[in-house]
Amino acid sequence: GAVVSQHPSWVICKSGTSVKIECRSLDFQATTMFWYRQFPKQSLMLMATSNEGSKATYEQGVEKDKFLINHASLTLSTLTVTSAHPEDSSFYICSAEGQGDNYGYTFGSGTRLTVV
Amino acid sequence: GEDVEQSLFLSVREGDSSVINCTYTDSSSTYLYWYKQEPGAGLQLLTYIFSNMDMKQDQRLTVLLNKKDKHLSLRIADTQTGDSAIYFCAETVSDDKIIFGKGTRLHILP
Repeated sequence: GAVVSQHPSWVICKSGTSVKIECRSLDFQATTMFWYRQFPKQSLMLMATSNEGSKATYEQGVEKDKFLINHASLTLSTLTVTSAHPEDSSFYICSAEGQGDNYGYTFGSGTRLTVV
Repeated sequence: GEDVEQSLFLSVREGDSSVINCTYTDSSSTYLYWYKQEPGAGLQLLTYIFSNMDMKQDQRLTVLLNKKDKHLSLRIADTQTGDSAIYFCAETVSDDKIIFGKGTRLHILP
């Protein structure tokens, strides 16, 4: 079945540095990928929708210069947290929307970011 | 490997009960979740159940867990048009790993 690989699973970084998270669809092409951030009580806030070959669509309140999203190919989207601060510490998860035999949403396993 | 499966579509008449089913493979899961996603929105946690429980009820929502069969279901009583959404089943297998199903689109018939 469809698999989305998300790396790294966890990362610790210093304040002020940047961190890149990759989301890769392994056996299907995903024209649309989504990035979420987990908040208390487990809900996942949609940060942005990433479309291959075009600029990401950010949700209200999400700083696009801080959370850089690139979807350069049909199988890879990246989220870069720039100039990270402790308040950026969270669990980030991506999903990819498949078509045809891979219809539905396939999620990565998430990335735990800790900024110290 | 770890996997969570659920049917992709469900149509229910308004006022009837909706039952969304999910199966999972990892017997070490600690919590199992149901999320609701409305168009253009994030995933809202609807309810969750700890793996040592059989049932949990919260207003119109009833979660049933059959640990032996690794089967989880979400029943929505008196389904309303506002319940139209995509429902995701998910399990946590560790503190930092959550596995989602592909989502069930619930369509409400008048």
